[in-house]
Formats: sequence, C-alpha cells, structure tokens
Amino acid sequence: GQQVMQIPQYQHVQEGEDFTTYCNSSTTLSNIQWYKQRPGGHPVFLIQLVKSGEVKKQKRLTFQFGEAKKNSSLHITATQTTDVGTYFCADISSGSARQLTFGSGTQLTVLP
Amino acid sequence: GAGVSQSPRYKVAKRGQDVALRCDPISGHVSLFWYQQALGQGPEFLTYFQNEAQLDKSGLPSDRFFAERPEGSVSTLKIQRTQQEDSAVYLCASSLQVWTGGWGNQPQHFGDGTRLSIL
Repeated sequence: GQQVMQIPQYQHVQEGEDFTTYCNSSTTLSNIQWYKQRPGGHPVFLIQLVKSGEVKKQKRLTFQFGEAKKNSSLHITATQTTDVGTYFCADISSGSARQLTFGSGTQLTVLP
Repeated sequence: GAGVSQSPRYKVAKRGQDVALRCDPISGHVSLFWYQQALGQGPEFLTYFQNEAQLDKSGLPSDRFFAERPEGSVSTLKIQRTQQEDSAVYLCASSLQVWTGGWGNQPQHFGDGTRLSIL
C-alpha cells in the first residue's frame, strides 16, 4: 500500500534556529495534510496542500508541495520552545473513506 | 463539547479480556475514523464510518476488532480476547463532509485517545 517516508526521525535545535522536515513518497500523493502532535497530546491539523508546487505560509511555518506531488516539506523559521512536538505529514486516500496515511513523523526538540 | 471526546483515557486489561473504547465525535460531523498509534509511530487507519454506515474496515488487524456507530454519532471500538500486541493509543477522529463539486478533503479533528495497555 501507499507508504509515506518522513525524515529526519528526530531533530534537536537550539531556540532560534530553523527546522525542516521532509515527506517523500514513491507514488504520486493526492493531497497532503500536516499535523502537529505535542507530547502526550493528539494530532492537530495545521494545513492542507492540494496543488503541484503549492507553497503556503502560517507565520513562521512554510509548507511546500513538490512539483511532481511526490514530496512535501515543512520549514519553521526561528524555532521557539512552543514548537516542540512531532510533526506528521499525511496522504489522503483517494477512496471514499478519505482516511489518512501518516508518515512516521519528525520529533522536534527545541533547547532553550 | 467542542471537541472529540474519548473514554476511558487509560485502560489496563489482562491478556484475553475484552475491552470497549468510546468516541463521541464533534456534533454534526458525518465522518468518523479510528486509528491505532504505536509508540513513536504515526497513527494507522483502522476503520471509517459515514454516519452509521461502516464503509471501510480494511485497517482492522484481525477479526478480534469490531467497531460500531449505531445511531451515527457515538462510536465504540471493541477488542475481544486482547493480546499484548494490541497495546497502543487508539485515536478517534471526526470530520465534516463538504460538497465542492466532489467531496472535498476536510481536516480531521482528533480526540485525546485511549492508551490501552495489555498485561
């Protein structure tokens, strides 16, 4: 079935440094959603990317969808301690269920 | 309530016991999903309901797993004869269905999950 690979698995940064996580698939992704999960919490929706080459920004977060719709990235500028958590990309099934196939996630630690 | 509510928050059971996990979705959300999340992994799809109809159960790992949503709102995930490998966090999510010339993809709203530990 569809597999979504995400790298890196872990990332430690000093507060103020930038952070990027990458999501890759061997097959074309339909749409991509990004979620953030705080330690002990549940996934929270961040954004959805639909179009090839799409770029969306939310304050310090920049999301990109690859031209071939086989990869996506999330970049955080000037990390803050509130950015701590695991970031997941998720492909959306093209079937009627629209279930999410999650990547393995990138766990971000921000050192003060 | 404003969000997806799941109960119990934690459940400890002995191997071989049956367990029932409850999900109360956001009012008006037609779609309801169950996911299983192992430690350090992303959630994995188990099953999907559209109102009371279970349209996809392809992710259920065995016939010991059963889910229902009889009135199209609250859902229950039941695991019979639990095994140690069933230990995980079980997440419920709900979403709207919006017609935009096709059923568009809506954000899924997750509950806090039930952490199941099988001894």
